[in-house]
Amino acid sequence: GENVEQHPSTLSVQEGDSAVIKCTYSDSASNYFPWYKQELGKGPQLIIDIRSNVGEKKDQRIAVTLNKTAKHFSLHITETQPEDSAVYFCAACPGTASKLTFGTGTRLQVTL
Amino acid sequence: KAGVTQTPRYLIKTRGQQVTLSCSPISGHRSVSWYQQTPGQGLQFLFEYFSETQRNKGNFPGRFSGRQFSNSRSEMNVSTLELGDSALYLCASSLAGPGYEQYFGPGTRLTVT
Repeated sequence: GENVEQHPSTLSVQEGDSAVIKCTYSDSASNYFPWYKQELGKGPQLIIDIRSNVGEKKDQRIAVTLNKTAKHFSLHITETQPEDSAVYFCAACPGTASKLTFGTGTRLQVTL
Repeated sequence: KAGVTQTPRYLIKTRGQQVTLSCSPISGHRSVSWYQQTPGQGLQFLFEYFSETQRNKGNFPGRFSGRQFSNSRSEMNVSTLELGDSALYLCASSLAGPGYEQYFGPGTRLTVT
C-alpha cells in the first residue's frame, strides 16, 4: 500500500519568514495530493491540493509543488503569520475510490 | 453551506462496552470516510462509504464497523471497546470520494477507561 513520509516533524520560524514542509510517497499510482492544517481541538482543514497533471499550484501565501519522478511534494508558506501555527499534514491518494494516506504531521510554530 | 457535523463531540466509555458515532456530511456529498487519530499512530483510515456501500476498508479489526444511510449520514460502531481505542474519530465528506476534496468534521473524542 501507499506510504507517505513527512519532514520535518517540527518547524519553528519567525514571523514573516517562509516555511517549507516536504513529503514523499511510495505508490506511483497516487494522483491526488492534499494538504491539511489542524488547529488544536479542531478537525483537519483542507488548505490546498494538487493533482499529478500539475507541477505547481499557488493560493495567496501558500503553494504546493509536485515532482512525480522523484515522488515528492512540498508545501511552501510565505510571509508566515502567528495564525499559521498549527499541525500540517500531507496526504496521497491513488484514485477517487481509494483511501487517503496521511503523513505523520509537521508542527509549525511561528514566533513573533 | 453547513459543514460536516459529528455527534457526540466527547464520549467516555468503559472497556468492553460498545459505542456508536454519527456523522452528517455536507449537503450533496455522497462519500463519507472515517479516520482514527492518535498521537502514536497519526491519522489512520478506517473505511469509506459511497451511496450506502462500503468501498474501502483500512486495517482495523472487525470490531470497527460502519454504515451509511440513504441521506448520506453515516455511523460507525466500535464493539468490545479496548483501552487502545481511545482516540479522536474523524469523519470526512466528499462529493465523490477520497480522491476529491475531503472536508473534515470536528471529530468525536472517545476515551475508554
